[in-house]
Amino acid sequence: DGGITQSPKYLFRKEGQNVTLSCEQNLNHDAMYWYRQDPGQGLRLIYYSQIVNDFQKGDIAEGYSVSREKKESFPLTVTSAQKNPTAFYLCASSLNYRGTTEAFFGQGTRLTVV
Amino acid sequence: DAKTTQPNSMESNEEEPVHLPCNHSTISGTDYIHWYRQLPSQGPEYVIHGLTSNVNNRMASLAIAEDRKSSTLILHRATLRDAAVYYCILRDPGNQFYFGTGTSLTVIP
Repeated sequence: DGGITQSPKYLFRKEGQNVTLSCEQNLNHDAMYWYRQDPGQGLRLIYYSQIVNDFQKGDIAEGYSVSREKKESFPLTVTSAQKNPTAFYLCASSLNYRGTTEAFFGQGTRLTVV
Repeated sequence: DAKTTQPNSMESNEEEPVHLPCNHSTISGTDYIHWYRQLPSQGPEYVIHGLTSNVNNRMASLAIAEDRKSSTLILHRATLRDAAVYYCILRDPGNQFYFGTGTSLTVIP
């Protein structure tokens, strides 16, 4: 089955620790995205990558880092510098960055800082 | 990035058509209009997109105003499974998917 997979579904982190969220796609898509969603809110763009070995900051990149070493993988690291990391994190991919291509989303990772 | 404006919430009776409006008065000539929906605790799901002409697919229809400053997502017969938050997004080539807060649709049995 083709799709986009996020893991884990639930993640708990102690304050001061870095944590990495996994995102893998087997759709052969060039573009990948990370979003954050807080309760009752829309999605906010953290980082995006239009091609392998390249990525750009979105609106709320502070406290986060990413890498894009392989086409199918776009992991997100939530660092200890992120002041309020508890949120629902969504990864998405699209065939390319053109306006006509739709985005496919994973099922999300719910991160809780304890 | 161009902005969209949607009502915060709407209600519909089951089995009746639903028209979800979206205003995008600053749309540019190359912006595509996309619609997604999101069920609770799930990732958004693609519904439909278009540029200038009205579009139909198995899920919905998209009606685009002649001046492209507004559009309407049409669900022909609402079911309980259509209860979700619906997002209207403008996507310019090279631009990213920017989501607003969307319209929360309640379907009444």
